[in-house]
Amino acid sequence: GNSVTQMEGPVTLSEEAFLTINCTYTATGYPSLFWYVQYPGEGLQLLLKATKADDKGSNKGFEATYRKETTSFHLEKGSVQVSDSAVYFCALSQIQGAQKLVFGQGTRLTINP
Amino acid sequence: GAVVSQHPSWVICKSGTSVKIECRSLDFQATTMFWYRQFPKQSLMLMATSNEGSKATYEQGVEKDKFLINHASLTLSTLTVTSAHPEDSSFYICSAVVPWRNTEAFFGQGTRLTVV
Repeated sequence: GNSVTQMEGPVTLSEEAFLTINCTYTATGYPSLFWYVQYPGEGLQLLLKATKADDKGSNKGFEATYRKETTSFHLEKGSVQVSDSAVYFCALSQIQGAQKLVFGQGTRLTINP
Repeated sequence: GAVVSQHPSWVICKSGTSVKIECRSLDFQATTMFWYRQFPKQSLMLMATSNEGSKATYEQGVEKDKFLINHASLTLSTLTVTSAHPEDSSFYICSAVVPWRNTEAFFGQGTRLTVV
């Protein structure tokens, strides 16, 4: 079946550090890939997405590239801020669009000033 | 963006009682909503797909008689945990996809259920 594996957290970085959160997936065909973020006390919000191989999703300084050859969708940011502290979820959808999402286990990120 | 509101944010109930969680789409109509469950330090797992005007579709291993889903209108889906037990304690989250923008799911803020 479909599955998503994220690097285990928690991850703690200093402000302005480079961030990578690894995500790999198992799926048949060509799923859509997503990163969701959950800030403290809030619901999940879409951070970025990619719907086909080699697509790059980007938002708020975060980027992730859909790599079919390595079945990966790693999240990166060049310089993190304290406000980026949150839980990040990698997810895929086998159905067109964002329906019936399969999530990774989430990675808690803490940025220290 | 579209707003999905979930209520209550947290609830504590006694074993054997039932608890209802509401999921509302505030500024759009959602023919389909989804219910997820998140165990501590684990991923969100899809429980069921809620379809307006028809029966919900449950994922394998989810007890439909335990988790009753009703989607009576285009803006409201409810999840009722019946005869709750401590093992039902979890974080429950709903989502909806805007029909004309189905590349993004919008999530409620979640409900923390504690059964004592």
